[in-house]
Amino acid sequence: QSVLTQPPSVSAAPGQKVTISCSGSSSNIGYHHVSWYQHLPGTAPKLLIYDNDKRFSGIPDRFSGSKSGTSATLGITGLQTGDEADYYCGSWDTSLSHFVFGPGTKVTVL
Amino acid sequence: QVHLVQSGDEVKKPGASVKLSCTSSGDTFATYYIHWVRQASGQGLEWMGVINPTGRSTTYAPKFQGRLTMTRDTSTTTVYMELSSLTSDDTALYYCAADGAGSYYRSNFFDPWGHGTLITVSS
Repeated sequence: QSVLTQPPSVSAAPGQKVTISCSGSSSNIGYHHVSWYQHLPGTAPKLLIYDNDKRFSGIPDRFSGSKSGTSATLGITGLQTGDEADYYCGSWDTSLSHFVFGPGTKVTVL
Repeated sequence: QVHLVQSGDEVKKPGASVKLSCTSSGDTFATYYIHWVRQASGQGLEWMGVINPTGRSTTYAPKFQGRLTMTRDTSTTTVYMELSSLTSDDTALYYCAADGAGSYYRSNFFDPWGHGTLITVSS
C-alpha cells in the first residue's frame, strides 16, 4: 500500500485533457516537492515535472503540474496516442525517511 | 549531463546475492547523488535507496534494511547496488537514476535514468 494515492486509470479522446491526482499527507506532499514521471514498461521512466510545477527540459507545455496542500495534480492537454503510458507521482516522506512513489495511473487515449 | 549505463541482466537462485553496477561517462557524475528504483512485473515503481557523491553516506528504504548495500568507487565513477538473501519477490527491473540537482545537492527528483537491469530470481 502506497502512502500516495493515484487513480488506477484515466482516459480521454485524442486532443482532450486529462488530470491525474496524487493525494498524500503532511509528511510527504504537504511538506516536500512533488515530481511526476511517465513510464512505458521496459523503458526508463521519464521525468516530466519537478518541484511541483516545473516542466523538465524538453517537456512540452501540454504537461503541467500543480500542488495544493497535501495533493498534487498532473495535467495533460491535447492528448496524443504517444501519451499512453503509466504516470507516477513521487515525494520524499519525512515520517518514513524515504522517497515514495504513488501506485501509478494508466493513461489511455480512446 | 550524465549518461548512466547499467550492468547486464542476471539470473540468480533464491538465497543468493546480486551486485549491479551503474556507471557514467560524464565527468560530472562524481557530483551526483545516485538513487536505485525497481519495478517488479505488473507492479509500480519502488524506491530502494540513495548514495551520496562521496559514497560515505547512504539512505535505504526500511524494507531493504539489512540486505541492501550501496557503494561507490569514485576512481571509476561507478556505483554499485548489492541485494542479498534474494527471493522470487526480488525479480524485477532495477534502475539507477541520478538525482536531478547534481553539483553535490540532493533534490529528490530523478533524471537521467539508466536503461534498467533485469534480475530474475528462480530456482
